[in-house]
Amino acid sequence: SQTIHQWPATLVQPVGSPLSLECTVEGTSNPNLYWYRQAAGRGLQLLFYSVGIGQISSEVPQNLSASRPQDRQFILSSKKLLLSDSGFYLCAWSSSALGETQYFGPGTRLLVL
Amino acid sequence: GQNIDQPTEMTATEGAIVQINCTYQTSGFNGLFWYQQHAGEAPTFLSYNVLDGLEEKGRFSSFLSRSKGYSYLLLKELQMKDSASYLCAVSSGNTPLVFGKGTRLSVIA
Repeated sequence: SQTIHQWPATLVQPVGSPLSLECTVEGTSNPNLYWYRQAAGRGLQLLFYSVGIGQISSEVPQNLSASRPQDRQFILSSKKLLLSDSGFYLCAWSSSALGETQYFGPGTRLLVL
Repeated sequence: GQNIDQPTEMTATEGAIVQINCTYQTSGFNGLFWYQQHAGEAPTFLSYNVLDGLEEKGRFSSFLSRSKGYSYLLLKELQMKDSASYLCAVSSGNTPLVFGKGTRLSVIA
């Protein structure tokens, strides 16, 4: 069966510091991978998605970036965090087409102070 | 463009039935999903409708009318653990799912 991991689970970072969040998927090959952010009490905002190694599509211009160095690894990064980057970051995967069911990882709660 | 509307909040009584509606306007339609998200946790997949009609899965059922751009999630025999946000999401073409803002359901005794 497929599993999706995210780490860290929680993170407290000062404004201006860098960020690296990691997501890995097990039990499937060539998944589509997604990064979402959810502000407190708000809906899901799609940040990036990837259909393959090195292929990144950005949905919202901001100070975040994403990379996919391996088939089942998706990384979300920032060089300098802003207060507004605080939120719940969720990674998800789907098989074959982008419109298929998405399965979410446990999420990373980020607080920027 | 794509637009998905759901009520922001709903309250229902333990043991009762509640219907959460979702309307959508999209260019192209491949299917509609419902997810459950408990506070502080990730969304989990509940159901998928691609054809018109009702899909039943235990206490939860999901209905779709493609001609009306309308779906609902029906929860029967409500339990306190059903208190959560319910997200409607639409698939249209080979693009990522578009999620609604979610409906926060509170189940009270």
